[in-house]
Amino acid sequence: QQQVKQSPQSLIVQKGGISIINCAYENTAFDYFPWYQQFPGKGPALLIAIRPDVSEKKEGRFTISFNKSAKQFSLHIMDSQPGDSATYFCAASKGSGTYKYIFGTGTRLKVLA
Amino acid sequence: GAGVSQSPSNKVTEKGKDVELRCDPISGHTALYWYRQSLGQGLEFLIYFQGNSAPDKSGLPSDRFSAERTGGSVSTLTIQRTQQEDSAVYLCASSRGTSGSSNTGELFFGEGSRLTVL
Repeated sequence: QQQVKQSPQSLIVQKGGISIINCAYENTAFDYFPWYQQFPGKGPALLIAIRPDVSEKKEGRFTISFNKSAKQFSLHIMDSQPGDSATYFCAASKGSGTYKYIFGTGTRLKVLA
Repeated sequence: GAGVSQSPSNKVTEKGKDVELRCDPISGHTALYWYRQSLGQGLEFLIYFQGNSAPDKSGLPSDRFSAERTGGSVSTLTIQRTQQEDSAVYLCASSRGTSGSSNTGELFFGEGSRLTVL
């Protein structure tokens, strides 16, 4: 009930391509779904987040798609760039982020130049 | 500084020794979290503070692990009698927590303390 399942574990994309990372959750009490980006040697940083009252949120080249009935959400990176190469974590929380965050296992993205 | 500060950045210790890891959150952030990141793994929740109290410490792996927070600010994670499986990066994060309508869920992470137990 507390897990967030993330896939794929790793992803290689050509520059300019679309990167897609998927997450699934079980606990319907979750109401806040952020994505974090982590570069080597750094802490994760918030990239984009969504609440379940909308099905999609877009910020620049980054889009979250949310399917409440399927309990799934995904991150799409359009026009992927080598600078996007990082590890991406999805997460879920409840109470609008006041509860502990449950993180996925991470996806290591490499964008080839 | 303006961000979450953790120390030490690196710690090498011998099996059986005790270690203390420190986290200095962003000023004014009431919520503080500790996570553990093992090599190539995800972020494992350890403990969550709201102010000085810990409403959720369910992620602490054993009674060798403890944490405290004083003055609603600095937190210390203590690992007693360290084992090799404790080797990991320990990440601290803080958030604004709740303050009426000004709640924001964003976690701000430090750069972590890398612990190596020989």
